[in-house]
Amino acid sequence: GQQLNQSPQSMFIQEGEDVSMNCTSSSIFNTWLWYKQDPGEGPVLLIALYKAGELTSNGRLTAQFGITRKDSFLNISASIPSDVGIYFCAGLRGGSQGNLIFGKGTKLSVKP
Amino acid sequence: KAGVTQTPRYLIKTRGQQVTLSCSPISGHRSVSWYQQTPGQGLQFLFEYFSETQRNKGNFPGRFSGRQFSNSRSEMNVSTLELGDSALYLCASSLRDLNYGYTFGSGTRLTVV
Repeated sequence: GQQLNQSPQSMFIQEGEDVSMNCTSSSIFNTWLWYKQDPGEGPVLLIALYKAGELTSNGRLTAQFGITRKDSFLNISASIPSDVGIYFCAGLRGGSQGNLIFGKGTKLSVKP
Repeated sequence: KAGVTQTPRYLIKTRGQQVTLSCSPISGHRSVSWYQQTPGQGLQFLFEYFSETQRNKGNFPGRFSGRQFSNSRSEMNVSTLELGDSALYLCASSLRDLNYGYTFGSGTRLTVV
């Protein structure tokens, strides 16, 4: 099925570092969502973006809805150990198409 | 308030059997969607229900079906199970309509042997 292009696929973080990840698509979306998934659990919504150009923060997390409506990024500032997990972007076209289209995820691990 | 509840959490079935998974959405949420998550394919959309009607369907074979009850609870059924159906099945509910963030349950881990 169709998926968004999410990068990087994985990254190692050291406590205190800033982290960036992004999603791109060839299609336009009306809504961009960012989720975090811990092992054995369902994805948890972090940030929802509803308007092109919108920049939204949730604590140390900041996400933006690209102006072209085809991309979004998520930044995590001053990372902490509990930030490890898999982050997914998801796009929603809206209208009659109510299904989320997901990226393949960015796996955050602690730098050894 | 209670989140999205999926039962059972874990399930082991044999090839050829059928299985029914259950999802209780957040109270007041009328939209329920189902997703399949596998390491290879990631999160794939199965179907979405709103007010007991299937509104959208993903590209899965007819062995995968679902329904929604008047209290918004939903079930999905997989018949004639195949090894490739082993996955985490996630249910998500939304407050009212499309364009809202979906809240996911913890999922049902189905293993087909």
